[in-house]
Amino acid sequence: EDQVTQSPEALRLQEGESSSLNCSYTVSGLRGLFWYRQDPGKGPEFLFTLYSAGEEKEKERLKATLTKKESFLHITAPKPEDSATYLCAVQAASGGGADGLTFGKGTHLIIQP
Amino acid sequence: SAVISQKPSRDICQRGTSLTIQCQVDSQVTMMFWYRQQPGQSLTLIATANQGSEATYESGFVIDKFPISRPNLTFSTLTVSNMSPEDSSIYLCSVSWPNEKLFFGSGTQLSVL
Repeated sequence: EDQVTQSPEALRLQEGESSSLNCSYTVSGLRGLFWYRQDPGKGPEFLFTLYSAGEEKEKERLKATLTKKESFLHITAPKPEDSATYLCAVQAASGGGADGLTFGKGTHLIIQP
Repeated sequence: SAVISQKPSRDICQRGTSLTIQCQVDSQVTMMFWYRQQPGQSLTLIATANQGSEATYESGFVIDKFPISRPNLTFSTLTVSNMSPEDSSIYLCSVSWPNEKLFFGSGTQLSVL
């Protein structure tokens, strides 16, 4: 059974204080690993897809990396508007499409001014 | 990307009643999905809705409880039937996009009294 574990569950940082969120996964052949951002009262917003170990993607203050067992979402010099819940999901190679996504519970990130 | 409109955004319902949630997409899409997000839990796939065929339900979800319609390539509904307080959750519509991306609607916050 595919599993996704995110840590920490919650993280409070000062503005400008860089950190990383972790996503550990167990999947029967990885087809893709996804990061989403979710603001309160809204649906998840797509951030990145990573496909193979060693791959990295960046968007503004966010950088996602992937190994064979985990992914990290690095946040550099965060701002209060980066406060959100960050979700990680995996898709197994045996999945028939995007419906094969397994989500973690998310990391609730708070950036204090 | 796809723009997804979901209605209602929130509702408070009485035990034993039913609520139908609508999902409208601004582009024609083959696959639409319904997820549930319970407090402190991962997003859980309820069912996959393809136009012209019956919805496919995940383990633990049944058609009598969560009937789904998919009359065309841009619209779907999810009904939560005979509601109980345990059905209180956020319900999310999503669509599959090229490169296995999933785009989500803004969600329906359901509270059952």
